[in-house]
Amino acid sequence: EVQLVESGGGLVQPGGSLRLSCAASGFTFSSYWMSWVRQAPGKGLEWVANIKQDGSEKYYVDSVKGRFTISRDNAKNSLYLQMNSLRAEDTAVYYCARGNWNYFHWGQGTLVTVSS
Amino acid sequence: DIQMTQSPSSLSASVGDRVTITCQASQDISNYLNWYQQKPGKAPKLLIYDASNLETGVPSRFSGSGSGTDFTFTISSLQPEDIATYYCQQYDNLPITFGPGTKVDIK
Repeated sequence: EVQLVESGGGLVQPGGSLRLSCAASGFTFSSYWMSWVRQAPGKGLEWVANIKQDGSEKYYVDSVKGRFTISRDNAKNSLYLQMNSLRAEDTAVYYCARGNWNYFHWGQGTLVTVSS
Repeated sequence: DIQMTQSPSSLSASVGDRVTITCQASQDISNYLNWYQQKPGKAPKLLIYDASNLETGVPSRFSGSGSGTDFTFTISSLQPEDIATYYCQQYDNLPITFGPGTKVDIK
């Protein structure tokens, strides 16, 4: 069974940093693109970033470029999102999802709150 | 960026009713469109991929159609468990973008 478990969310002050993790199991992690999608409270879904199987290609939504970094460790079956210079508008539930555009599998999400 | 619009933004229907949601892309996206269902407090679930393909295990009352810029999502007979918000998503071009969602309630 495919499982994706996010962790690392929490309360952070504006300008601060946070690193999200996504632990994958039940499939060959190194064979799949992986993505992060977020959802602000009461709002819709927003794609954040995705990363190729070997990490050689990474893509970001404009609003996080230069502040967020997606990465992966295939030996640890883990996906990461390093978030720097956080803003109030980054407050959201962050989901990791398997795939580069067809998201058949999602984690349960981790809440990031940016507030002073 | 490709903008996705959905209508209506919300609807209320009776059990057994046929429900239709439309999604429009700001430019031609061929059939690179998915539909997701999201229940409160849960992650989204992919129901329809490539505009019209039903994901394995999804009830056949759900269907999708369309290509180019205009797409339709249909629930042929609304069930109480279908109460959720439905999102379309394009993947023709980066950034991947989602529609604003359609909230479906039981009347």
